[in-house]
Amino acid sequence: GAGVSQSPSNKVTEKGKDVELRCDPISGHTALYWYRQSLGQGLEFLIYFQGNSAPDKSGLPSDRFSAERTGGSVSTLTIQRTQQEDSAVYLCASSLTLAGQETQYFGPGTRLLVL
Amino acid sequence: AQTVTQSQPEMSVQEAETVTLSCTYDTSENNYYLFWYKQPPSRQMILVIRQEAYKQQNATENRFSVNFQKAAKSFSLKISDSQLGDTAMYFCAFMKHGFTGTASKLTFGTGTRLQVTL
Repeated sequence: GAGVSQSPSNKVTEKGKDVELRCDPISGHTALYWYRQSLGQGLEFLIYFQGNSAPDKSGLPSDRFSAERTGGSVSTLTIQRTQQEDSAVYLCASSLTLAGQETQYFGPGTRLLVL
Repeated sequence: AQTVTQSQPEMSVQEAETVTLSCTYDTSENNYYLFWYKQPPSRQMILVIRQEAYKQQNATENRFSVNFQKAAKSFSLKISDSQLGDTAMYFCAFMKHGFTGTASKLTFGTGTRLQVTL
């Protein structure tokens, strides 16, 4: 079946602009995760959703970052007033939450470059 | 909090040879999962292999196998008969076991860049 998809694949923006990154999880997966991959920080957890609620937002680096998930499916990560340090690859993953099936499957990521 | 350490930033292996990538972790949890993910230049993170901590038997997937030493908190990946397509960044990751119906984040190591040469 179809895997996790993300859009756009690449995004170039100017400092101070807002950006929206989209994630479409595997159909039926109840959990959805956002991670950030940057040269200096490696792979960092940002936030995860269980259905439409976000029990763990502990990884969001500042209040400029927010995310939502609607209909238990698509999620959008929004970065307001982008800064150069926001440049990174943003990865989305999804999983089931059944015992033994929690493996996370990743999308291809969105590469964000803030000029 | 959990930490995952990969002490080999880069490794190289010749085609058809065997290579072992190291990973150690630190946790106070007793129930957890360990994973190896592969990230080729396309940047798609691909699951290579997974191990449940409660299982003593080491996981295997075709040419990929792990050596899981729970007491030593070690989780190495062995790639046999290396192929050019194995060239990628390899990440070791930890996930604590959640209750059914809950999810848990992955904690990643810094990765090992593997180059397979002719």
